[in-house]
Amino acid sequence: ETGVTQTPRHLVMGMTNKKSLKCEQHLGHNAMYWYKQSAKKPLELMFVYNFKEQTENNSVPSRFSPECPNSSHLFLHLHTLQPEDSALYLCASSQDPGQTTYGYTFGSGTRLTVV
Amino acid sequence: GESVGLHLPTLSVQEGDNSIINCAYSNSASDYFIWYKQESGKGPQFIIDIRSNMDKRQGQRVTVLLNKTVKHLSLQIAATQPGDSAVYFCAENAGTALIFGKGTTLSVSS
Repeated sequence: ETGVTQTPRHLVMGMTNKKSLKCEQHLGHNAMYWYKQSAKKPLELMFVYNFKEQTENNSVPSRFSPECPNSSHLFLHLHTLQPEDSALYLCASSQDPGQTTYGYTFGSGTRLTVV
Repeated sequence: GESVGLHLPTLSVQEGDNSIINCAYSNSASDYFIWYKQESGKGPQFIIDIRSNMDKRQGQRVTVLLNKTVKHLSLQIAATQPGDSAVYFCAENAGTALIFGKGTTLSVSS
């Protein structure tokens, strides 16, 4: 256990469904991130939150909607997704966005399949 | 654009051999680099890091080398074990977030 917990571990959803991914960290970190990991591609940064405020949206389609109610919790709300959105979604946290010690701590990810 | 990449998608070694995984980066302003290991079904895990004011850093069985002249980063694993089988990523600190390379899959046969 890394200290970053993601639920669910696996999710299958239809293109018309609405679902949410949850991430929780108890490391006392102030920054949280969503990354998308697709086969044969580098991890893609989606969103950055620092002290609950979104500081970066990396041109992510509006069918992905993040929410950060506090520094310990991060959600990714999903609606009307496409099959190409199937991927492993990773949450990470760090003491601050410019972290230069030990990098980020990652959760185990949610494996999303859109059918 | 600015990116971090790895030279080889796969590397196969025998148990006990030394492994070298390479990474090329393009952002000369990057000042902090990290190697991550990702095992099947898990998220990336921190292995070792290095700042741009260093050219070598050693950990337990791992060594990271940084060559800023050619913008090259490498991870050396001594006496590779079957438990080292995983995907390895390098990442650079772009200021607001980490940028990752594609990864090298290391396979260790006994």
